[in-house]
Amino acid sequence: DQQVKQNSPSLSVQEGRISILNCDYTNSMFDYFLWYKKYPAEGPTFLISISSIKDKNEDGRFTVFLNKSAKHLSLHIVPSQPGDSAVYFCAASARGGTDKLIFGTGTRLQVFP
Amino acid sequence: GAVVSQHPSWVICKSGTSVKIECRSLDFQATTMFWYRQFPKQSLMLMATSNEGSKATYEQGVEKDKFLINHASLTLSTLTVTSAHPEDSSFYICSATADSSYEQYFGPGTRLTVT
Repeated sequence: DQQVKQNSPSLSVQEGRISILNCDYTNSMFDYFLWYKKYPAEGPTFLISISSIKDKNEDGRFTVFLNKSAKHLSLHIVPSQPGDSAVYFCAASARGGTDKLIFGTGTRLQVFP
Repeated sequence: GAVVSQHPSWVICKSGTSVKIECRSLDFQATTMFWYRQFPKQSLMLMATSNEGSKATYEQGVEKDKFLINHASLTLSTLTVTSAHPEDSSFYICSATADSSYEQYFGPGTRLTVT
């Protein structure tokens, strides 16, 4: 049972445009969400997180939006850069983030010039 | 800061042999370490959680006798794949949390190929 889903396996965006990556979850106990960026044969690197008490969190070019009623979160990257090309995983945790991470299946983002 | 290393980065072994993978926190003490497995084009799946000095907690469906985890110190955890089979071929990633935070810092991963 996939509790965290990323329904788009891939996304292609032109440099300078906005990239929007989506993530849906089913477990209402999740209250802390994270986005990771991953290159092939490397471990994930943390990008940005959001607690369920918020609906938006910004860090530079990265903004995460959380819609609790829809059990949906999204990562916006503006403007997109070629160096952003990687696989992006969303992850969810319960108990304020102290519980184990449940990862989505990932979305491969390609930013082309 | 918060660097986690893994060794080896890539290992090939023959079916039936055992392989040990090391995970080290280089600049902090890791009270908890996690082991994940990622198959191609799939999600990272948590295999087990280990706390220093105690037995690891395995996720459902993960054979604890096959995937031996040892967390003997605050900077080192090891995963031993015993009697490896080709279906164990995967990318194994560890992560670690410091005492003061629950943020997980991930290692670079180890690719295991069993022939």
